[in-house]
Amino acid sequence: KAGVTQTPRYLIKTRGQQVTLSCSPISGHRSVSWYQQTPGQGLQFLFEYFSETQRNKGNFPGRFSGRQFSNSRSEMNVSTLELGDSALYLCASSLGWTSYNEQFFGPGTRLTVL
Amino acid sequence: AQTVTQSQPEMSVQEAETVTLSCTYDTSENNYYLFWYKQPPSRQMILVIRQEAYKQQNATENRFSVNFQKAAKSFSLKISDSQLGDTAMYFCAFMMGQAGTALIFGKGTTLSVSS
Repeated sequence: KAGVTQTPRYLIKTRGQQVTLSCSPISGHRSVSWYQQTPGQGLQFLFEYFSETQRNKGNFPGRFSGRQFSNSRSEMNVSTLELGDSALYLCASSLGWTSYNEQFFGPGTRLTVL
Repeated sequence: AQTVTQSQPEMSVQEAETVTLSCTYDTSENNYYLFWYKQPPSRQMILVIRQEAYKQQNATENRFSVNFQKAAKSFSLKISDSQLGDTAMYFCAFMMGQAGTALIFGKGTTLSVSS
């Protein structure tokens, strides 16, 4: 069974640009969650999608948005990039029916904003 | 709001020894889950062990076991017979019982296992 994949793995952007990250969940998983990982703030929850609906959202500005497609693949978009958006962005997929469903993480996308 | 605290930023242990990583959390909820995740230097985060709050019995997974003290809001991870492959960052995480809620992570403990 293929794991969670994230593309691209590495990305370099400049301030003010926008970026789109993609996450393909494990087949059969309907929930995709996104996390931002930085040395200073640690792992912080961005949002969670289940069956194309945003079910939960973290405390991030509106520049961070996401969506989920009918095949459960998810994208997150960051507009007007700031230096502080440099981070490892992780997505995790799960069956999504209960919190006990194991979340499987992807390898992450390393975003560097210059 | 829920918080998770890991008070040991770094720990080191020799192969075959036992090590315990500490974690405390704060919540007013009664229905929740607790997790330990491992993030090796390659960065892929994997689940080590999980515990349902309503279960008194401590979870075990091979060499990994937890000491869950609900009243004290403590959730420590014990790694027995440490192996070089256990070298990683370990995150304690909390999740409320409702589906779709966020994993709330501690800051992590970097564990180094040496031969």
